[in-house]
This record gives sequence, C-alpha cells and structure tokens, in this order.
Amino acid sequence: DVKVTQSSRYLVKRTGEKVFLECVQDMDHENMFWYRQDPGLGLRLIYFSYDVKMKEKGDIPEGYSVSREKKERFSLILESASTNQTSMYLCASSSLNIRDEQYFGPGTRLTVT
Amino acid sequence: GEDVEQSLFLSVREGDSSVINCTYTDSSSTYLYWYKQEPGAGLQLLTYIFSNMDMKQDQRLTVLLNKKDKHLSLRIADTQTGDSAIYFCAETPQRGNNRKLIWGLGTSLAVNP
Repeated sequence: DVKVTQSSRYLVKRTGEKVFLECVQDMDHENMFWYRQDPGLGLRLIYFSYDVKMKEKGDIPEGYSVSREKKERFSLILESASTNQTSMYLCASSSLNIRDEQYFGPGTRLTVT
Repeated sequence: GEDVEQSLFLSVREGDSSVINCTYTDSSSTYLYWYKQEPGAGLQLLTYIFSNMDMKQDQRLTVLLNKKDKHLSLRIADTQTGDSAIYFCAETPQRGNNRKLIWGLGTSLAVNP
C-alpha cells in the first residue's frame, strides 16, 4: 500500500512565525502536491512538484513556498504565518502512470493565532 | 476552462441507496475518480472509471458515466452510517498538465439511522 505521511496532525502557530509542513511518501512517486482545504471551497492546489528540485505554482501559491530536495519528501513553508492561513493542509503523491490517481496523507490542521 | 461541479449536501436513511452526482466540462477527460474523505482524515480513492466505459461496479458502488452529458454518478447501495463522509469527484483533463486533477467541491453525505 502507498503510504503518505505528514509530520503533524495538529499544529498551532503564532502570526509571523515561519512554519514547515513536511510530507513523505514511500512509493517512489514522481509527483507530489500540497493542497489546502477550507469549508465550502473544496481542495485548492498550492504547489506541486514533478521531480526533485522542480516545482510549479498551483492556484493559490501566494504566501507559500515549497522545497523538494529528495524524491520522497516535499515540504510546504509558510514564511510568515498569517491568520488567513489557518486551514487543513493535505499532501498527495502520484506516479507517472496513465491514471494520475493521487494518494493522500492524513492532513495537518494548522491554526495560526 | 475546466470545471467539476457537485451538489454540496445529500441526506439519506440507513439502508437506502445514495446517488451522488457530478458534472464536468472537459470532454477529453481520460479518467474520472471518486474519492472519500472521512471526518478529520485525508482523501482515499474509492473508484475510478476510464472515459470509454459507461459503467463500473465494485461491491456496493456503481459508477455511471454519461459522456454525452458529461455527467458522472456514484451510487452506494444499502448505505450505512460508516458511509457518512465527503465524496469528491475529480477528472484528469486531457489537455495541459495532466499530472494535476480537477476537483469538485465535494458532496457531504449524511446517513441517518
């Protein structure tokens, strides 16, 4: 079974702090994704990566950056957390096969106070 | 542009069938997916259908695809309280970057005893 893990299930940070969310997958997938999920807004893609050191902006990249130094690990960075970044963050991965189905981690619920 | 639409809420009685509907705009979609998200968890892939199929059945789940109307449905037979969750429809668009999925906003299914 594909396993995607995220470093924390719950996180509380203060406004202005730098926040790191880590995601690790164990299936040698090429693609990795970061989404945020808010009530009524569904899943919104923040960034994705299709290879080590490669990244592309998603629909809402403002206020976020990412890092992919190793194939299995994809980090989401909030340089200066703000209250409007309080959300559920979901990481996913997929392989370069024809189906593009994504496998998700359990999510990190981030609260910025 | 590409878009996937779902109704936001559905309520059924335990033992009844549930039908969750989805419409999409990209007629060249290759695969369409149904994901399930239980409270506080990540998304898990329930099933998928290839665009040249009309129907796919998997135990209590039946997926129907009407390509002419760009309509996808998920039927859950004998719905149980454990089926209470958010169900997301997603498509792999043919055009552009097919590593990404286009997501609906999710249908929240409530199963009443």
